[in-house]
Amino acid sequence: DVKVTQSSRYLVKRTGEKVFLECVQDMDHENMFWYRQDPGLGLRLIYFSYDVKMKEKGDIPEGYSVSREKKERFSLILESASTNQTSMYLCASRQHNEQFFGPGTRLTVL
Amino acid sequence: AQRVTQPEKLLSVFKGAPVELKCNYSYSGSPELFWYVQYSRQRLQLLLRHISRESIKGFTADLNKGETSFHLKKPFAQEEDSAMYYCALQGGGYQKVTFGIGTKLQVIP
Repeated sequence: DVKVTQSSRYLVKRTGEKVFLECVQDMDHENMFWYRQDPGLGLRLIYFSYDVKMKEKGDIPEGYSVSREKKERFSLILESASTNQTSMYLCASRQHNEQFFGPGTRLTVL
Repeated sequence: AQRVTQPEKLLSVFKGAPVELKCNYSYSGSPELFWYVQYSRQRLQLLLRHISRESIKGFTADLNKGETSFHLKKPFAQEEDSAMYYCALQGGGYQKVTFGIGTKLQVIP
């Protein structure tokens, strides 16, 4: 079974804080993704990575950055959190065109 | 640019009634299309993909290139089908994936 884990299920941060969301997959997948999921807006792609140290902007990269130093780990960074970044964040890895999702991190920025 | 449209945010049907969740897409090449499902308190997971042409949990979806649609259908809804359904398109360089806004299916007992 593919396992995608995210470091936190719930996170509360203050405006202006630097926030790290971690995602780890255990199946040696090359592709990894970060999405945010908002009611009425669906899943929107923030960034994706097709290999170690390689990254591509998704549809809404503003205010975010990513890091992929090792194949199994893909980190999402909010340099200075803002209230409009309050959301559910989903990480996924991909193999044979199927995406495998983590459980999500619900981030609240106060 | 690639785009996925799911026109209904909520679809309510009675148990045993047919279900059709609509999905239209915009893409200049030959896309790969998928349906993902998220049951309450569970992870998002793949339901089916168009290249497989398979039926999963009684659901089928046919790619209609002329109408640029990939509607999800089931002849008889069951209560356990209640969930959030997302249509997704994969294409372009690096096989970027674009999701629709999702349709919440509510099956009324």
